[in-house]
Amino acid sequence: GAVVSQHPSWVICKSGTSVKIECRSLDFQATTMFWYRQFPKQSLMLMATSNEGSKATYEQGVEKDKFLINHASLTLSTLTVTSAHPEDSSFYICSARAAGVPYEQYFGPGTRLTVT
Amino acid sequence: GENVEQHPSTLSVQEGDSAVIKCTYSDSASNYFPWYKQELGKRPQLIIDIRSNVGEKKDQRIAVTLNKTAKHFSLHITETQPEDSAVYFCAASMGGSYIPTFGRGTSLIVHP
Repeated sequence: GAVVSQHPSWVICKSGTSVKIECRSLDFQATTMFWYRQFPKQSLMLMATSNEGSKATYEQGVEKDKFLINHASLTLSTLTVTSAHPEDSSFYICSARAAGVPYEQYFGPGTRLTVT
Repeated sequence: GENVEQHPSTLSVQEGDSAVIKCTYSDSASNYFPWYKQELGKRPQLIIDIRSNVGEKKDQRIAVTLNKTAKHFSLHITETQPEDSAVYFCAASMGGSYIPTFGRGTSLIVHP
């Protein structure tokens, strides 16, 4: 149980275009989802927290107009990187928290974004 | 906000040896401390966690200890195997939001 999927697993896009990453909880309802960014050999950096049906809460320094997060249902959250630049290239990982289990989070497999 | 320090950044051991990774946290209100294992290019996976009302927890070859007074917690892996090679992250969070703050990670290398 507690499986989280991400799509796509990797994506290459051109500078200036937008790319959408999906995060789905497959066998549970995720009241809260988190989006992280991870650079090579570095830790997980929390970008934003999203609760179903409400606006995402962004961490300090994360541009909310650039990284659009939508958590429209209890099983799906999306991260859209708008007007992507090479410096946005990174590993993006989502995680989900189930209703009634406030402390555990289940990670997706990650999406490798490369902006050329 | 919370600050989590993790040491060492790299740990190299021989198969069969023990490995210890240490973390300190700054906010005494933190009460949940998970440890994650991340293999290259893969998702972090929870391997063990501990709450602040417990001093030690064991699961087969893995154990975690917590010292609330000193605000530090440690991961202990005994009888290490090559498949234990990965990056290990500690984290600390507190009740309410339980949004974790992660350590910088420890790259564990187990030589056969």
